[in-house]
Amino acid sequence: DVKVTQSSRYLVKRTGEKVFLECVQDMDHENMFWYRQDPGLGLRLIYFSYDVKMKEKGDIPEGYSVSREKKERFSLILESASTNQTSMYLCATNRGLPYEQYFGPGTRLTVT
Amino acid sequence: ELKVEQNPLFLSMQEGKNYTIYCNYSTTSDRLYWYRQDPGKSLESLFVLLSNGAVKQEGRLMASLDTKARLSTLHITAAVHDLSATYFCAVERSNFGNEKLTFGTGTRLTIIP
Repeated sequence: DVKVTQSSRYLVKRTGEKVFLECVQDMDHENMFWYRQDPGLGLRLIYFSYDVKMKEKGDIPEGYSVSREKKERFSLILESASTNQTSMYLCATNRGLPYEQYFGPGTRLTVT
Repeated sequence: ELKVEQNPLFLSMQEGKNYTIYCNYSTTSDRLYWYRQDPGKSLESLFVLLSNGAVKQEGRLMASLDTKARLSTLHITAAVHDLSATYFCAVERSNFGNEKLTFGTGTRLTIIP
């Protein structure tokens, strides 16, 4: 079974803080994704990584950056957290065809 | 730009009844995925539909894909309370090995005893 873990289930940060969300997978998958989930908007792709040190912007990358120094770990960075980044953040991986994605448990981030 | 629409967005149904959730998408794609999300939890893969006419069944849930109509359905038979959850469909963004998915906004299903 694929195991995708995220560093925190709940996180509360102040406006302007730098925030790190970490995702680790144990199945040697090439592709990793960061999404945010908001009511009524579904899941929206923030960033995507298809290999170590390789990344691609998703649909809503503004205000975020990512880091992938090792294959199993994909980090999402909020350089200066703002209240509109309060959301559920989900990490996912896939191994290739079919492109079924496996999700971590999520981090609910509140920025006050 | 690929758009994925689900309807209904909210569905309240009685135990024992049948119902269908619809997933429409706007551009050509041959592969579609269904996920389930319980409150406060992450997404769990339900079905992977890889070609036109694909049909998959698991218990009281059956999913099908019509790529010509750009439509997938998730049919619920004789609903039970355990099926209460939010269901998402997700469509691959192209037919050329692009790994990214576009998700629908989800259908929140509540089964009433």
